[in-house]
Amino acid sequence: AQTVTQSQPEMSVQEAETVTLSCTYDTSESDYYLFWYKQPPSRQMILVIRQEAYKQQNATENRFSVNFQKAAKSFSLKISDSQLGDAAMYFCAYTTSGSRLTFGEGTQLTVNP
Amino acid sequence: GAGVSQSPSNKVTEKGKDVELRCDPISGHTALYWYRQSLGQGLEFLIYFQGNSAPDKSGLPSDRFSAERTGGSVSTLTIQRTQQEDSAVYLCASSLAGTGGNQPQHFGDGTRLSIL
Repeated sequence: AQTVTQSQPEMSVQEAETVTLSCTYDTSESDYYLFWYKQPPSRQMILVIRQEAYKQQNATENRFSVNFQKAAKSFSLKISDSQLGDAAMYFCAYTTSGSRLTFGEGTQLTVNP
Repeated sequence: GAGVSQSPSNKVTEKGKDVELRCDPISGHTALYWYRQSLGQGLEFLIYFQGNSAPDKSGLPSDRFSAERTGGSVSTLTIQRTQQEDSAVYLCASSLAGTGGNQPQHFGDGTRLSIL
């Protein structure tokens, strides 16, 4: 069974600084997709960034980028120039079949002014 | 355009009662998913609908849980004889048809269910 692990229950960062959230996963599949979702107190899960496993190039979306290490099964999220609005719970997620997402436990990010 | 809409936003009910949770997906999205988010279990997959195919019900925790999707659009998740452990946030998501996850899932705001 596929598993996703986020080893940092909580992280904090100063406004305008950079923070990296860690995620590892376990799978025997060679083709899959990885995601980072953000969940603010409003509860809505918002897609932050997506990575296709067959692509070697790391995905980037404005201030958000990933470090995808397929051999190590690692998928970390880097947030640059952190803003107060980035404060939320962040979930790493995996899918191979296009049906269910398997989520990690989440990392609560605090941004300090 | 409108996002995924879930109702009610919050639901409080007594143990043993039945509840129905509604999800209205994004127009044109053929795939619909239900997840449960609880303190002890994190985010769990419940059920997946794709077009006219038989749903993947493998995540439903017991036979008290059922879901249907009428006309390929609106979905209702029903929990019968509710128990206190059913207290959680129930999230619905939808996506365009695709393979291997190349179509990202878009989530609603969820329904917070509290069983007294």
